[in-house]
Amino acid sequence: AQKITQTQPGMFVQEKEAVTLDCTYDTSDPSYGLFWYKQPSSGEMIFLIYQGSYDQQNATEGRYSLNFQKARKSANLVISASQLGDSAMYFCAMREIHNAGNNRKLIWGLGTSLAVNP
Amino acid sequence: DAGITQSPRYKITETGRQVTLMCHQTWSHSYMFWYRQDLGHGLRLIYYSAAADITDKGEVPDGYVVSRSKTENFPLTLESATRSQTSVYFCASSESTQWYEQYFGPGTRLTVT
Repeated sequence: AQKITQTQPGMFVQEKEAVTLDCTYDTSDPSYGLFWYKQPSSGEMIFLIYQGSYDQQNATEGRYSLNFQKARKSANLVISASQLGDSAMYFCAMREIHNAGNNRKLIWGLGTSLAVNP
Repeated sequence: DAGITQSPRYKITETGRQVTLMCHQTWSHSYMFWYRQDLGHGLRLIYYSAAADITDKGEVPDGYVVSRSKTENFPLTLESATRSQTSVYFCASSESTQWYEQYFGPGTRLTVT
């Protein structure tokens, strides 16, 4: 079963508008972390934002915020005031703590391609 | 330069040849990872290492070998390359504290002909 689901293969947004990229996850581990990464066309993976399962508040990093709804097991990324440079693939990932044991691996979604239109 | 580097950035090789992809990090991070990225599969973990001389398999280890004699280096070897190993390979590192994010290298695009 897919543990990280990103249902939007592609998204379009107008420059300066906000956009939400969806991510749902599945885990029985009470302790986990959720991550969003950006991969521009140049190929590198850039860490954007992190949310811990016990964090009471939604994470924010500049124009990025994470809409964390634990009961619904969703961790959507919100990008405010989109810029042309935001055009990229966006990946949601999860790390389980107890289930994974010593394996600190990230479990990845398949990504959402975001295109920002001028 | 500080950070995590991979070499080569691009490699074309023939089926059956041995290929080694290099990964070097300057942060002294305990954990290092090798992922492959393929369309339709996202990123999949090949091997990881919790410290020097400690390595373990990930989701797709078959056909790959790793070693970690020094903390800063984590080479990935394809013992006998196959076309199915054509992919983009990413090395990543992470501090030992469990909540820290992984930092990625720039990737190596490998084509097996």
